[in-house]
Parts: sequence; structure tokens; C-alpha cells
Amino acid sequence: KQEVTQIPAALSVPEGENLVLNCSFTDSAIYNLQWFRQDPGKGLTSLLLIQSSQREQTSGRLNASLDKSSGRSTLYIAASQPGDSATYLCAVGSGGATNKLIFGTGTLLAVQP
Amino acid sequence: GAVVSQHPSWVICKSGTSVKIECRSLDFQATTMFWYRQFPKQSLMLMATSNEGSKATYEQGVEKDKFLINHASLTLSTLTVTSAHPEDSSFYICSARRGGANEKLFFGSGTQLSVL
Repeated sequence: KQEVTQIPAALSVPEGENLVLNCSFTDSAIYNLQWFRQDPGKGLTSLLLIQSSQREQTSGRLNASLDKSSGRSTLYIAASQPGDSATYLCAVGSGGATNKLIFGTGTLLAVQP
Repeated sequence: GAVVSQHPSWVICKSGTSVKIECRSLDFQATTMFWYRQFPKQSLMLMATSNEGSKATYEQGVEKDKFLINHASLTLSTLTVTSAHPEDSSFYICSARRGGANEKLFFGSGTQLSVL
């Protein structure tokens, strides 16, 4: 059974810092991996999607990497801003016709102004 | 962009009543929709996968007779919590995919259900 873990569970940084969020998964046979952010009491916003054949994806100040063999992904946020404060979730696609997502435990990020 | 609308955003009901939650893809056709629930400070747990025109596939431990899912069209899926009890109180979120399995998932804004 696929298990997805995120470290750290919570992180507080001053504005302007670069930071890295970690995601690990137990079964390397994934189809793809997606990073989301969730604001309190809200749904999820998709940030980046990495296919299993890719090593990384970039969007603005965000960069996500994927190392399937070691079961790891990282989300790098450059020059953090208070507006980046949210819970960040990674989710691995299990493959097959539906490719349902298995979510990690989340990292609660607080960027202090 | 792909927009998924979920309604209502919150609902309070008495124990024993049924509650219906709607999930609509506004600007795309979604052949597959997913329903998740999220307890406070926990991650999302997949409840079921919904395919248009067919029965939903439920995850282990999710009662299909309690959580009725209908995916009547390519833009609408509904989740009905039947005979709700306080332990069903949770945040329910739907998601939709507009293409194949390698496409992104887009999420609704969620429904906070409180059962008194």
C-alpha cells in the first residue's frame, strides 16, 4: 500500500528566505506526482505536476523535483512571501485508468513578514 | 482555466437527515471525478472514484450505501450523505480531471459538513 509522508509537518520562515519541502513515498511505481497548496477551509490549488518520466518542473518561484528510484520529491520555493503561507500537499498518482491520487500528510508553511 | 464548483460550501444538519453535495466542472467535461474527505489537521482521504454513466468505485472502508455518488453527466457529480451522524462531520472535497490519467486534477472549494 502506497504511503506518502511529508517533512517537516510545519515550517516557519522569515520573508525572503528560500525553502525546501520534502515528500517521500514508499512505492516507486508511480504514474505522476502533483504538488498542491491548500488555504484554511478551502479546496486545493494545483501548483506543479511531474510525470514519472520527468525530473523536475518549474513555475515562477516554484521548482519541484522528482527522484522515483529513491521515492522522493522536493518543492523549492524561492524568495518566500507572506502570501505563500498555506498547507502544501504532495500527491502521487497510482496509475491505471483512473490514476487516483494518494495524498501526503502536508506541510504547514508560515512566512513571517 | 479549469474551474470546479462545489456547492454548498458549508452545511449544518440534524442527525439522521441526508445532505447532498454537488460538484460541477464549469468549463470542461470531466469523465472522472473523485470525492475526498478531510478531518481537521489531516490529509485528504479518497472516498470514491466517480465515472460518468457508471457506478462509483469506493475505497476500502467507505460505505457505499451511506455515501451515495451519482455522476449523471460529464459536468456534474453528487455526493449524498445519507442518515448523517456527528461522526460524518468533516470537510468534503471533490476533484475532476478533464482528460486522461496523466492530466492534472482540479479541486472544488470544499464543503464543511457539521452534523448536530
